[in-house]
Amino acid sequence: EAGVTQFPSHSVIEKGQTVTLRCDPISGHDNLYWYRRVMGKEIKFLLHFVKESKQDESGMPNNRFLAERTGGTYSTLKVQPAELEDSGVYFCASSQRWSPGNTIYFGEGSWLTVV
Amino acid sequence: TQLLEQSPQFLSIQEGENLTVYCNSSSVFSSLQWYRQEPGEGPVLLVTVVTGGEVKKLKRLTFQFGDARKDSSLHITAAQTGDTGLYLCAGGRNSGYALNFGKGTSLLVTP
Repeated sequence: EAGVTQFPSHSVIEKGQTVTLRCDPISGHDNLYWYRRVMGKEIKFLLHFVKESKQDESGMPNNRFLAERTGGTYSTLKVQPAELEDSGVYFCASSQRWSPGNTIYFGEGSWLTVV
Repeated sequence: TQLLEQSPQFLSIQEGENLTVYCNSSSVFSSLQWYRQEPGEGPVLLVTVVTGGEVKKLKRLTFQFGDARKDSSLHITAAQTGDTGLYLCAGGRNSGYALNFGKGTSLLVTP
């Protein structure tokens, strides 16, 4: 069974440009999460989808970030316009159900460098 | 504000030694998870503890959740080079969907 896949694995863009990250969750997983880790900080929650609905987007840093999950399958996270402080690793994760202690499977991450 | 503090931040030991890493918070969590992350990969779940005082063993790894559900520890017995990696703790709450991660303990086990 394929795990959570993310694309691209690495991207380098200039400040002010747009980047779109894609995540394909494990097949059958209704719950999809985005997290990110910026240099020197801990991994932080961005948002959570249940199917195509945003269940919790309390971690989204500002309105330059837009996440979508049309059709409840794959998800995209767009950063527009990108700023230097957006550099970091963006992790996508998925799970069958949500409950405390539920197993969440992480992708390998998309490394974003904004120059 | 960082909710979970992990210590030590870095740890370098030789094969065969024992070690303990800690995950502390002033907040109560409904569950506490430990992950291991290797370079270029995402975090991989090792264990979940949900009951205060709970102890779980995974081969040479022993995980404990504090009685008050505010802290946890991971003990590794007779470390092996394959244990090298970044160990992350993450707390979950019933009231929300987000996992709160610590910064991690970077472990290096040398032959």
